[in-house]
Amino acid sequence: DGGITQSPKYLFRKEGQNVTLSCEQNLNHDAMYWYRQDPGQGLRLIYYSQIVNDFQKGDIAEGYSVSREKKESFPLTVTSAQKNPTAFYLCASSIGPRETEAFFGQGTRLTVV
Amino acid sequence: AQSVAQPEDQVNVAEGNPLTVKCTYSVSGNPYLFWYVQYPNRGLQFLLKYITGDNLVKGSYGFEAEFNKSQTSFHLKKPSALVSDSALYFCAVRGNTGFQKLVFGTGTRLLVSP
Repeated sequence: DGGITQSPKYLFRKEGQNVTLSCEQNLNHDAMYWYRQDPGQGLRLIYYSQIVNDFQKGDIAEGYSVSREKKESFPLTVTSAQKNPTAFYLCASSIGPRETEAFFGQGTRLTVV
Repeated sequence: AQSVAQPEDQVNVAEGNPLTVKCTYSVSGNPYLFWYVQYPNRGLQFLLKYITGDNLVKGSYGFEAEFNKSQTSFHLKKPSALVSDSALYFCAVRGNTGFQKLVFGTGTRLLVSP
């Protein structure tokens, strides 16, 4: 089946640790995105990538890092510099930059313990 | 910069009644507008989009949305609500020049009672 796979579904992190969230797509989409979802705040863009080996900061990039070494993969690392990492993280992809809709993965819920 | 407003945190409607979830937007130039639905602990599912053309857009699960340029609105509608329509709905906008990020509203929770 084509789609976007995020793993793990649930992730627990101790304070001071870095963790990496996986996002893989087999839709052959060029653009990929990471969003953070908090209750009552909607979705906020962390990073996005238009093509392989290229990515840009979104609105809340501090404390996060990404890589785009392969077209189908866009992992997100939540570093210890992120002050409030507990949230629901959503990865998405789209064919192109504008008129096409984005397809979302099922999300990863990260909790700091 | 583009923005989206969803003025209602929650909309309550009885099953079988029509429903409307409101969305207004701000963007330079012509907008690309989208509606998504989210069920608990799941990702977002695409419902419909407006790119150009007919102001009334039909989408999945019987939903439709009306684009109104003068009011900068893109309200989501359904003639007859189902209990299974209860979910969180997001409106999103993207500008039409260059690479534009998809900007989301804060979401509206729809509760359909039996």
